[in-house]
Amino acid sequence: KAGVTQTPRYLIKTRGQQVTLSCSPISGHRSVSWYQQTPGQGLQFLFEYFSETQRNKGNFPGRFSGRQFSNSRSEMNVSTLELGDSALYLCASSFAPREPQHFGDGTRLSIL
Amino acid sequence: KQEVTQIPAALSVPEGENLVLNCSFTDSAIYNLQWFRQDPGKGLTSLLLIQSSQREQTSGRLNASLDKSSGRSTLYIAASQPGDSATYLCAVYPQGGSEKLVFGKGTKLTVNP
Repeated sequence: KAGVTQTPRYLIKTRGQQVTLSCSPISGHRSVSWYQQTPGQGLQFLFEYFSETQRNKGNFPGRFSGRQFSNSRSEMNVSTLELGDSALYLCASSFAPREPQHFGDGTRLSIL
Repeated sequence: KQEVTQIPAALSVPEGENLVLNCSFTDSAIYNLQWFRQDPGKGLTSLLLIQSSQREQTSGRLNASLDKSSGRSTLYIAASQPGDSATYLCAVYPQGGSEKLVFGKGTKLTVNP
């Protein structure tokens, strides 16, 4: 059974650009959550989607947005990139909210 | 606001030693607590999940306990091996309010051969 797949694995952008990250959950999982991981702040929750609806949102500016499609795949978008957005972005899927989460290997985003 | 703390931030032990990693949380109203392992440059691997009604869970050489009233969990690793070297993260799923996993900053474990 395939795990959570995140693409791309690595991304280099410059300030002011925008970026879209993709996450394909484990088959049958309908809940997808996104996290930002940095050395200073650790893992911080971005948002959670369940059945194409945003269920929860973390304390991030409106430049961070996401969506979920009918096949449960999810994308997150960051606009007007800042140097501080450099991080590992992790996606996790589960059958439903509050169920055990399974993580992908993340997308490493570097902003120059 | 739920906060999760893991102490120590780093731990180095010789191979074969039994060890305990600690996790504390500020609000006992949780659905569950999950322990993860993260290898460098990788995502998180779920190790054990304890529901709020449970006291412990075991998987192989790993045993996790939960004491909700005191806001503590421990992860016990028996007979540690160099392959256990990784960062171990604890996360709680709070009840009510904004339900989202809240993570500690992890304990970086090094097991020396």
